[in-house]
Amino acid sequence: ILNVEQSPQSLHVQEGDSTNFTCSFPSSNFYALHWYRWETAKSPEALFVMTLNGDEKKKGRISATLNTKEGYSYLYIKGSQPEDSATYLCAFVMFSYGNKLVFGAGTILRVKS
Amino acid sequence: NAGVTQTPKFRVLKTGQSMTLLCAQDMNHEYMYWYRQDPGMGLRLIHYSVGEGTTAKGEVPDGYNVSRLKKQNFLLGLESAAPSQTSVYFCASSYSVRSTDTQYFGPGTRLTVL
Repeated sequence: ILNVEQSPQSLHVQEGDSTNFTCSFPSSNFYALHWYRWETAKSPEALFVMTLNGDEKKKGRISATLNTKEGYSYLYIKGSQPEDSATYLCAFVMFSYGNKLVFGAGTILRVKS
Repeated sequence: NAGVTQTPKFRVLKTGQSMTLLCAQDMNHEYMYWYRQDPGMGLRLIHYSVGEGTTAKGEVPDGYNVSRLKKQNFLLGLESAAPSQTSVYFCASSYSVRSTDTQYFGPGTRLTVL
């Protein structure tokens, strides 16, 4: 059974703080890693898709890195704002699982103003 | 362009009742998926479809059936609802099943089975 772990489970920060969280996944047969952002009562939205070891992606104040050899990805948010409050989901794609996404349970971020 | 829509948004069922959740996408995507999301767990794949008229089982298919009669619609059925099926159900679609293809999600259906 594939296991994708996200930590921490939840995080409460003050506006302006920078924060980061982790997604851990099996390092064998790696194909891709997806990050999604899910706001309450809305649809999860794609943030990044990462495929190469050492890959770094950036979108505004949010960035992500990937280490496929050790099986983890970090998501960073610089200068958190209240509108960053959401659940951040990572999903792993392994070739032998038919390219389907296997999701972690998510990290819930709450940013207080 | 509405993207992926789901109906209904909320539903309460009694044990043993049946219902159908409808997912529609207007992006001409070939691939569609049904997931369930439970507290403390990741999204889990129930069933998926790689094209009109085809469906396949995902990770947690028991108690559910699906149909894809039209390319733009993917239906999820519960024949005899059980309290264990209380969950938030998400539909998603993608252009292909390449590992880098983004899945586009609907807003979810919150189902409670009493």
